[in-house]
Amino acid sequence: SYVLTQPPSVSVAPGKTARITCGGDSIEDKSVHWYQQKPGQAPILLIYYDSDRPSGIPARFSGSNSGNTATLTISRVEAGDEADYYCQVWDNNIDHSIFGGGTKLTVL
Amino acid sequence: QVELRESGPGLVKPSETLSLTCTVSGYSISSGYSWDWIRQPPGKGLEWIGGIYQSVNTHSNPSLRSRVTLSVDTSKNQFSLNLSSVTAADTAVYYCARHFLTGNWFDPWGQGTLVTVSS
Repeated sequence: SYVLTQPPSVSVAPGKTARITCGGDSIEDKSVHWYQQKPGQAPILLIYYDSDRPSGIPARFSGSNSGNTATLTISRVEAGDEADYYCQVWDNNIDHSIFGGGTKLTVL
Repeated sequence: QVELRESGPGLVKPSETLSLTCTVSGYSISSGYSWDWIRQPPGKGLEWIGGIYQSVNTHSNPSLRSRVTLSVDTSKNQFSLNLSSVTAADTAVYYCARHFLTGNWFDPWGQGTLVTVSS
């Protein structure tokens, strides 16, 4: 079945840019969605359709998708961005949602 | 705005059936979308369980399909999950979420409820 690969952890200094990758075979042919999960909270939708932001999500969060890698970019990182981030796609072959393993973002 | 809230027993015995209900406010579940369940074992990642749409159609994770039953009660604006023959591996926080079928993303999510499988 389709597999999404994320780095377990990413660290970044405040004010810098964080990039979290999500790897998958020809992932550019799929729509990638991203979620943020803070400790003890439910996930929230950050990015849908590779790069669209729901209302209320700051423009500091952006997404891209090309080749075998989708990327979530967080600009001007803040302490409050510390969280786990998950990518997600739908596998049309088996009508099944798949999540990446998640990436823990640490703000130094 | 749309809000979802899970409810159900926090402790289930091995081999029994886990039953959860999600109550939706701010939107009529009979009006569209799929209404789905996602779980997260303690300290681990997210796993999609399945969902129900148009009140009778279901889709589910192949690895859980044989144990999953999904249903809706439109009169109460609720949908439910039954997971049979549970083991300790089914211990997790269970979330319900609205599933946008056009692009297959989940938003919003309920707060989650922890279900522990133990005797």
